[in-house]
Amino acid sequence: AQRVTQPEKLLSVFKGAPVELKCNYSYSGSPELFWYVQYSRQRLQLLLRHISRESIKGFTADLNKGETSFHLKKPFAQEEDSAMYYCALSPHGGGFKTIFGAGTRLFVKA
Amino acid sequence: DVKVTQSSRYLVKRTGEKVFLECVQDMDHENMFWYRQDPGLGLRLIYFSYDVKMKEKGDIPEGYSVSREKKERFSLILESASTNQTSMYLCASSASDEAFFGQGTRLTVV
Repeated sequence: AQRVTQPEKLLSVFKGAPVELKCNYSYSGSPELFWYVQYSRQRLQLLLRHISRESIKGFTADLNKGETSFHLKKPFAQEEDSAMYYCALSPHGGGFKTIFGAGTRLFVKA
Repeated sequence: DVKVTQSSRYLVKRTGEKVFLECVQDMDHENMFWYRQDPGLGLRLIYFSYDVKMKEKGDIPEGYSVSREKKERFSLILESASTNQTSMYLCASSASDEAFFGQGTRLTVV
């Protein structure tokens, strides 16, 4: 079964500390993995996708097929990173039936 | 800049009412989706559509129906609203892999 698991509902770190939001997936095939972010009072938006291998707002995510993980990392958290983060999986080449995890709320303390 | 617009930001309806949630996108996207967003459950797909007059059930279609008469508009219908349908509803559209979301409609059924 296709599934995205985010084990942490809430993650609280101090400003300047490293942050890692965990994401594990199960899918029989070659999915595309994404991280979406929702800042307070803003709409949900794409943060990054694994195929682009880019760093967005200091965040990176590496797809580990052996561990079926796609953890989101940032070496130094900022207060403006506080938001809800969703890991998502999409069947290869498909835009529909994207499957979302339950989300992790990141709170960066001053 | 892709725009997905949901007709209402907040709605309060009575149990048993028929409720219409409207969504319009302006980027000529083929695919449109309706999700429910609930704390601890993430985003769950209700219905999606990959073309005009085409629709497919998502993971939680019970109690809902949809209509796509025009490419730019995708409507979610609650046939007889119930209190367990109180939630945040998100509409999204996509052409390929990235989903673009509306601002959400917070529906309260009393």
